[in-house]
Amino acid sequence: QKEVEQNSGPLSVPEGAIASLNCTYSDRGSQSFFWYRQYSGKSPELIMFIYSNGDKEDGRFTAQLNKASQYVSLLIRDSQPSDSATYLCAVGTDMRFGAGTRLTVKP
Amino acid sequence: DTAVSQTPKYLVTQMGNDKSIKCEQNLGHDTMYWYKQDSKKFLKIMFSYNNKELIINETVPNRFSPKSPDKAHLNLHINSLELGDSAVYFCASSQVGQFIYEQYFGPGTRLTVT
Repeated sequence: QKEVEQNSGPLSVPEGAIASLNCTYSDRGSQSFFWYRQYSGKSPELIMFIYSNGDKEDGRFTAQLNKASQYVSLLIRDSQPSDSATYLCAVGTDMRFGAGTRLTVKP
Repeated sequence: DTAVSQTPKYLVTQMGNDKSIKCEQNLGHDTMYWYKQDSKKFLKIMFSYNNKELIINETVPNRFSPKSPDKAHLNLHINSLELGDSAVYFCASSQVGQFIYEQYFGPGTRLTVT
């Protein structure tokens, strides 16, 4: 059974801090990794995707992939209250999602 | 310019009825998906079609039947609806090569079975 695990949270950080979200996966052959943001009542919105080991930066977001340790993380720098949402990790060609981590950024 | 659209947005029906949800994408993607998001917000893949061929068929009741008339459409038909089918159903599409490239979701269909 291929599994994707995330800490369900809630994770609470003050405005301006770095939020760190983690995801582990069981299928060692996975090659595609995605982070989505989902606001309450809305559909998931793609934030980042990463295929290679290392870091990938896009604005305030950095995705980090470590295939040897089978984890992928998302860092959000200078967190804003508008970043408050559930963050979903998805892995592999069959796009299996973790349960999501609820992030709250407090002003 | 809606990329992935679903109809209807809301669907309220009684147990035992049959209903369909339609999905269309105008992104030119070759792969489409159906997901179910339950009350605990867990997003679970149900089906995936690549160029009109079924490539993922998770363990869902056979009351659920996807139909892909062409690459741009993937419909979901549900027979004999049950209370437990109440959820939000999301359609998504992506382009698949060596990797899966960005996957985009539709707005969701909230199904309520009474």
